[in-house]
Amino acid sequence: EDQVTQSPEALRLQEGESSSLNCSYTVSGLRGLFWYRQDPGKGPEFLFTLYSAGEEKEKERLKATLTKKESFLHITAPKPEDSATYLCAVPSAGGTSYGKLTFGQGTILTVHP
Amino acid sequence: ETGVTQTPRHLVMGMTNKKSLKCEQHLGHNAMYWYKQSAKKPLELMFVYSLEERVENNSVPSRFSPECPNSSHLFLHLHTLQPEDSALYLCASSQGQVWGLEAPRNNEQFFGPGTRLTVL
Repeated sequence: EDQVTQSPEALRLQEGESSSLNCSYTVSGLRGLFWYRQDPGKGPEFLFTLYSAGEEKEKERLKATLTKKESFLHITAPKPEDSATYLCAVPSAGGTSYGKLTFGQGTILTVHP
Repeated sequence: ETGVTQTPRHLVMGMTNKKSLKCEQHLGHNAMYWYKQSAKKPLELMFVYSLEERVENNSVPSRFSPECPNSSHLFLHLHTLQPEDSALYLCASSQGQVWGLEAPRNNEQFFGPGTRLTVL
């Protein structure tokens, strides 16, 4: 069974204090890894897709990287508006699991001014 | 309207009521999904529709009944729910549909704002 584990569960940073979030996965054949941002009471907002080990994607202060066992979301000089829950997910393999994503439990990021 | 929309945004219902959640996507996608998000738990996939055909039913109780009349609309019909069904219900859509040996590259799922459901 596919598994996704995110750490830490919660992270509190001061504005400008860079850090990283971790997403470890166990899947039978990686078919991509997705990062989402979710604000309280809202739906997840798509951030990045990574397809192969060594791939990197960047968007403003966020940078996502991927290895064969885990992905990192690096946050450089965060601002209070970066506070949110960050989710990662992996798609299941083929067969009958059409479009099934397995999500981690998320990391709640709080950035203090 | 753009993206994925959901109505209502908030719903309070008794255990004997019947209600429906509505989702509409304006992205031209051909797959739609229902998820349940409870506090302190990961997102749980409930149903998947690909080209209006249900292709995944993730052991969801029969008190939840999905309907997909066309590729842009998805409904979740609710009846005789339990208090533990209170959660945020999210709809999503994606371009990718069928998974073979090579996954399609444009398979990201885009989510709506959700319906906050409270069952009394």
